[in-house]
Amino acid sequence: AQTVTQSQPEMSVQEAETVTLSCTYDTSESDYYLFWYKQPPSRQMILVIRQEAYKQQNATENRFSVNFQKAAKSFSLKISDSQLGDAAMYFCAYRRNSGGSNYKLTFGKGTLLTVNP
Amino acid sequence: ETGVTQSPTHLIKTRGQQVTLRCSSQSGHNTVSWYQQALGQGPQFIFQYYREEENGRGNFPPRFSGLQFPNYSSELNVNALELDDSALYLCASNPTGGDTGELFFGEGSRLTVL
Repeated sequence: AQTVTQSQPEMSVQEAETVTLSCTYDTSESDYYLFWYKQPPSRQMILVIRQEAYKQQNATENRFSVNFQKAAKSFSLKISDSQLGDAAMYFCAYRRNSGGSNYKLTFGKGTLLTVNP
Repeated sequence: ETGVTQSPTHLIKTRGQQVTLRCSSQSGHNTVSWYQQALGQGPQFIFQYYREEENGRGNFPPRFSGLQFPNYSSELNVNALELDDSALYLCASNPTGGDTGELFFGEGSRLTVL
């Protein structure tokens, strides 16, 4: 069974600084997706960034980027120029690529990010 | 805005009761899944429906059941409620075809069982 581990229950960062959130996962599959989702107090899960396992290039979305180390099964999220609106719970998630028939996500326990002004 | 709406947003039940939670997905989103998120935890997969049939289930007992309707709405039913069922229940949908891997989540229904 796949597992996702986030070892940092809480992190804090000063506004405009950079912070890195860690995630490791365990799977025997070779083709899968990895995601970082953000959950603000409004509770709605919002996709931050997505990485396809067969792509070696690390994904980037504006101030958000990942460091994907497939052999080490590591998938960290870097947030640059942190903003107050980045404060939220961040979840790392895994999904096996089964050709579009199974969309089950396996989530980590989350990291609560606080941004200090 | 994900286009996925859930109701009710909050509700309180007592042990042994039954509850129905509802979700409305975007047009064209033929797959819907439900997740249970206990306080301080990540979401746990309950089950998934595709074209009105259950086609994947997590480690949840049969008293958790669902329905999906042709109009892109769905329901999660929980019978014989237990205290540990208190959680945020999230509905997520995605379009069929052109798989980007992304799920679109609603804001959830927070259930408290007393």
